[in-house]
Amino acid sequence: GDSVTQMEGPVTLSEEAFLTINCTYTATGYPSLFWYVQYPGEGLQLLLKATKADDKGSNKGFEATYRKETTSFHLEKGSVQVSDSAVYFCALRGAAGNKLTFGGGTRVLVKP
Amino acid sequence: GAVVSQHPSWVICKSGTSVKIECRSLDFQATTMFWYRQFPKQSLMLMATSNEGSKATYEQGVEKDKFLINHASLTLSTLTVTSAHPEDSSFYICSARTGRVGTEAFFGQGTRLTVV
Repeated sequence: GDSVTQMEGPVTLSEEAFLTINCTYTATGYPSLFWYVQYPGEGLQLLLKATKADDKGSNKGFEATYRKETTSFHLEKGSVQVSDSAVYFCALRGAAGNKLTFGGGTRVLVKP
Repeated sequence: GAVVSQHPSWVICKSGTSVKIECRSLDFQATTMFWYRQFPKQSLMLMATSNEGSKATYEQGVEKDKFLINHASLTLSTLTVTSAHPEDSSFYICSARTGRVGTEAFFGQGTRLTVV
């Protein structure tokens, strides 16, 4: 079945540092890929998405490129802020298009 | 974007009692709603998928008699944890989307359930 693997956290960074969170997936067909962010005590918010190979999703300074050859969708941000401290989830929606499969989540802590 | 509201945000209940969690789509018709459970510092595990007017489809290992899901209208789904026990304590999150497969699902803010 479908699965998503992302790097374990926590990831601790200083403000303005570069952030990368690795995400790889296993799926049949051509899934859509997502990054969600969860702030403390809240539900998930869609951060960005990509629906086909080589698409780049971007939002709020975050980017991720759908790499079918490496089955990856790594999240990057060039200069993080304290407000980026949250848990980030990589997810895929399979070709059937009904449900999301989530990775384990990566907690990011940005220190001033 | 569309808004999904969960209520309550948190609840504490005694062992053996039942708790109902509501999930509402405020500005769109949610033909399909999903219920997830999240353990501390872990990912979201899909519990069930419900389509308006139909019985919910439960994921393997989820007890349908314990976690009752009702999706009686296009804007409301409820999850009732029956005869709750401490091991049911968790963060429950719903998401909702319109009927078209592949459209974006929007998430509620979650409900933290603590069973004492």
